Amino acid sequence: AIHMTQSPSFLSASVGDRVSITCRASQPIGRELEWFQQKPGEAPTVLISASSTLEGGVSSRFVGSGSGTDFTLTINGLQAEDSAIYYCLQNYNDYTFGQGTRLEIK
Amino acid sequence: QVLLQESGPGLVKPSQSLSLSCNVSADFMTSGSFYWHWIRQPAGKTLEYIGRVSTSATSAHGSTYNPSFWGRVTILADLSKHQFSLKMNFVTAADTAVYYCAVQRVPSLPGRSFNFWGQGAKVTVSS
Repeated sequence: AIHMTQSPSFLSASVGDRVSITCRASQPIGRELEWFQQKPGEAPTVLISASSTLEGGVSSRFVGSGSGTDFTLTINGLQAEDSAIYYCLQNYNDYTFGQGTRLEIK
Repeated sequence: QVLLQESGPGLVKPSQSLSLSCNVSADFMTSGSFYWHWIRQPAGKTLEYIGRVSTSATSAHGSTYNPSFWGRVTILADLSKHQFSLKMNFVTAADTAVYYCAVQRVPSLPGRSFNFWGQGAKVTVSS
């Protein structure tokens, strides 16, 4: 099974900052990686698929990159509503989520 | 917008079976080919993939499962009832979680998985 290592587990940043979250796959997965945002009490919502394709309606402040084993989600110009937990998901071979990154907006 | 709605008991006793259904908005289930998934999330933890069943417009096909659950779960689809189900046997406290159903179009766009999610159903395993 493919294992996803996501870091950091917690981020604290201010409005307007830029932050990055990384995911590393235990084996190459091409670009078969998605990023999800989850707010308390809600189901996850997809932000980015295929490593860098922005989902319709998602702010262009969210940028995904990477291929193979290393992937990054960058959030530019942080806003208060970005406070959430972010997960990566590999869908190359079955489905495996990262451990999540809790983003706190100061 | 496709609606998925989980339903089932919120409390299950240890060693018994957990059964959940996911009701799908009318006509969507028979509008094409899909994967119907179950995913769970223990409180404060990450999401864990359970498995899926595939369907075409006219029939249900095979199911595949996360090896972590092999032999303990069954996922089935019933197109006539516009629903699919999860049954998990021999549950323990470790199975306490929010259970989500989700759907994926087939074929899907490259690198794209779950198109729609249900709101989640909380299941507690306790005597």
